Amino acid sequence: TQLLEQSPQFLSIQEGENLTVYCNSSSVFSSLQWYRQEPGEGPVLLVTVVTGGEVKKLKRLTFQFGDARKDSSLHITAAQPGDTGLYLCAGVWNKIIFGKGTRLHILP
Amino acid sequence: DTGVSQDPRHKITKRGQNVTFRCDPISEHNRLYWYRQTLGQGPEFLTYFQNEAQLEKSRLLSDRFSAERPKGSFSTLEIQRTEQGDSAMYLCASSLDGGTYEQYFGPGTRLTVT
Repeated sequence: TQLLEQSPQFLSIQEGENLTVYCNSSSVFSSLQWYRQEPGEGPVLLVTVVTGGEVKKLKRLTFQFGDARKDSSLHITAAQPGDTGLYLCAGVWNKIIFGKGTRLHILP
Repeated sequence: DTGVSQDPRHKITKRGQNVTFRCDPISEHNRLYWYRQTLGQGPEFLTYFQNEAQLEKSRLLSDRFSAERPKGSFSTLEIQRTEQGDSAMYLCASSLDGGTYEQYFGPGTRLTVT
């Protein structure tokens, strides 16, 4: 069974701080997706990483796919209250498996 | 295109009643997925369609659950004889077939079984 572990489960930090959240698996994925979900809404796709070692930047968000394509990280620089939400990673193989998410709260 | 839409957004029903949800995917997407999400959890896969064919069903999808996509466009998810444990957010997503299968989600249907 493929599982994705996300850590930490919860993170509350002050506006302006930097943070990193992680997505780990013992399985290899063909690609990995990151989503953000706000309360009462569906997840919104942020990025897809495909190649081992790949780094993608989306404004203040930096996504990295591990060399072995088993893990990924999301780094946010100078967090803002608008970054608050549930961050989900999803591994893609012959199906798509979601982690339980990291609930991020940025304090103004 | 207006994205993925789901109807209704909220449904409150009594235990034992049947409910049906509808999902309209992005028009050019031939894959359609149903997920269930409970508080504090990520989306759990229920089933997916490629065009009108239902290709995979999760073990979570008991015989009380049925999904259809009769013309390869919109899909319905029916839950018969609802139980309190069915209370959850039901999410629909669509994607193109192939590549990285990037999914676009609808806003979800929040089901509350009393």
